[in-house]
Amino acid sequence: AQSVTQLDSHVSVSEGTPVLLRCNYSSSYSPSLFWYVQHPNKGLQLLLKYTSAATLVKGINGFEAEFKKSETSFHLTKPSAHMSDAAEYFCVVSGGFNDYKLSFGAGTTVTVRA
Amino acid sequence: EAGVTQFPSHSVIEKGQTVTLRCDPISGHDNLYWYRRVMGKEIKFLLHFVKESKQDESGMPNNRFLAERTGGTYSTLKVQPAELEDSGVYFCASSQERRGGFLYFGPGTRLTVT
Repeated sequence: AQSVTQLDSHVSVSEGTPVLLRCNYSSSYSPSLFWYVQHPNKGLQLLLKYTSAATLVKGINGFEAEFKKSETSFHLTKPSAHMSDAAEYFCVVSGGFNDYKLSFGAGTTVTVRA
Repeated sequence: EAGVTQFPSHSVIEKGQTVTLRCDPISGHDNLYWYRRVMGKEIKFLLHFVKESKQDESGMPNNRFLAERTGGTYSTLKVQPAELEDSGVYFCASSQERRGGFLYFGPGTRLTVT
C-alpha cells in the first residue's frame, strides 16, 4: 500500500522569493517519487522523479526535491519563484510490481504575487 | 512530437445520459492509462491497457464504465448511464515502458453530470 500527503492545499509567494511545497509519503515498497505540475488547461507535466539514485533530484524550470527516507518526505523547492510557476502541483508515489498505478496527493495550488 | 490528446475538453450531460470520452496517446506508446479526479478528491487510477488488452481495470468504479482500445491506438471511456458522482476530470496518459512511472498525461476531460 502507498499514499501521499501534501501538507499545504494552497501556497502563496511573492515573485523572486523561495517556494516550498511539502510532501510526505508512505509505501510498503522502495518507492519511486515524482512531482507533476498542471498549468491551467494543460496536461500534467513531470517536473522531476526520484528512483533510488541521488537523494537530491533536480528537475525542470529550476525545481528540485530531496528524498529523506528517515522523514518519509519529498519536499519540492525552488529558490526564486516566477509568475509562470503559478499552477497546481502534485506529489506522486509509485512502487512495487504495479508501479504504473500512481498514487497522487491532493495537490497544492501555487499563486505568485507580483 | 504531439502529446496525449483528449476529446472533448468539457462535457455537460444530464443524469442518465451516456457520454464517451476519447484519448489519443502519443504515437508508438503501447501503454495507455485512465485516471480520474472527482471533485475535492485525489487523482485516482482507473485502468491500464497494453496495446488493445486491458491489463488492470481494478480502479474502475462500477460496470457503468466501459473502456476500449480497439486496434491498440486510441481509447474510449464510456459512462452509461451517467450519475451525479461521475462528475470530475478524466485524465488519459500513455508511456512506452510499463514500469517507471514516467507517464505523459493529456489535459483531461472535465465531465459535469447535472
